Amino acid sequence: DGGITQSPKYLFRKEGQNVTLSCEQNLNHDAMYWYRQDPGQGLRLIYYSQIVNDFQKGDIAEGYSVSREKKESFPLTVTSAQKNPTAFYLCASRDRGYQETQYFGPGTRLLVL
Amino acid sequence: AQRVTQPEKLLSVFKGAPVELKCNYSYSGSPELFWYVQYSRQRLQLLLRHISRESIKGFTADLNKGETSFHLKKPFAQEEDSAMYYCALRGSGGSNYKLTFGKGTLLTVNP
Repeated sequence: DGGITQSPKYLFRKEGQNVTLSCEQNLNHDAMYWYRQDPGQGLRLIYYSQIVNDFQKGDIAEGYSVSREKKESFPLTVTSAQKNPTAFYLCASRDRGYQETQYFGPGTRLLVL
Repeated sequence: AQRVTQPEKLLSVFKGAPVELKCNYSYSGSPELFWYVQYSRQRLQLLLRHISRESIKGFTADLNKGETSFHLKKPFAQEEDSAMYYCALRGSGGSNYKLTFGKGTLLTVNP
């Protein structure tokens, strides 16, 4: 449960500002994911990475960017191009084995000032 | 394309009553289905998966390929079952990298 950490717990963004959400895992998982959770919308996939130095767009990647320079870390940047960034952001990780499920972090709530 | 539908946004039952959270899916191959649960102020966590055919916290779910459903059931609901429940699907082959989630059902168990 404590193998995936996200920081900060709350983040405030000003108009036109880029902000970066941190996600770290010590589970030695290859794959990592970013989801956005909105009321009544469920979880929607933003970006995912199956291995270091590789990542792909999910269903709602516009206005977001990621990097995967280390296996343990998968930071998400919410850019000024994301017009509706207020949401709860969840990071997850998974071992590449087919039978493995995803484990989720505690989330970051992003609010726009 | 893969899709998961949870038709009920809200479900309210009394303690001790049976509960069924509905989940229907659309997928052309052989999917793997999951139920995730999010209790208040806790992180999203796996409740059960269909391939395990297990009962967790009294909940069961059977994959019905004919009806493309994976409904979550519990014969006697408890107050501590109150939470947000998400049904999720993972495809096979090249699409097994991601989970597709339904929009969730908020279950409230009243005393």
